[in-house]
Amino acid sequence: GAVVSQHPSRVICKSGTSVKIECRSLDFQATTMFWYRQFPKQSLMLMATSNEGSKATYEQGVEKDKFLINHASLTLSTLTVTSAHPEDSSFYICSARDGRPVGQYFGPGTRLTVT
Amino acid sequence: GENVEQHPSTLSVQEGDSAVIKCTYSDSASNYFPWYKQELGKGPQLIIDIRSNVGEKKDQRIAVTLNKTAKHFSLHITETQPEDSAVYFCAAAEGDTGKLIFGQGTTLQVKP
Repeated sequence: GAVVSQHPSRVICKSGTSVKIECRSLDFQATTMFWYRQFPKQSLMLMATSNEGSKATYEQGVEKDKFLINHASLTLSTLTVTSAHPEDSSFYICSARDGRPVGQYFGPGTRLTVT
Repeated sequence: GENVEQHPSTLSVQEGDSAVIKCTYSDSASNYFPWYKQELGKGPQLIIDIRSNVGEKKDQRIAVTLNKTAKHFSLHITETQPEDSAVYFCAAAEGDTGKLIFGQGTTLQVKP
């Protein structure tokens, strides 16, 4: 149980284009989903928290107009990187939480490369 | 907000030996402390967690201890195997938001 999937696992896009990453909870309803960014050999950095049906809460320093997050249902959240640039290249990981106050299940991550 | 420090950054042990990774946290209101294992190119996998009302928890070769007074917690892996080689992250859940704050990570290498 408690499986989170991400799609795609890898994506290469050209500078200036937009990329959408999907995060799905497969066997539970995720009241809250989180999006993280991880640079090589570094820790996970929380980008934003999204609750189903409401606007995402972004961490300080994260551009909400660049990283669009939508949590339209209890099993799906999407992250859209708009007007991507090479510096946006990173490993993006989502996690999901069920109704419990703590504890997160992580997806397998999406490797984004912007050329 | 919460701040989590993790040591060591790298750890190399011989197969069969024990490995210990330590973390400290700053927010006394934090009440949940998970440990994650991350293999190259994959997402973090929860391996064990502990809540603030418990001092120790074991799951086969893995154990976690928590000292709330000193605000530190540790991961203990016994009888290490080469497949234990990975990056390990500790985390603490912020008391008011429940957000996870991660340590810097420890790269564990188990030599056969």
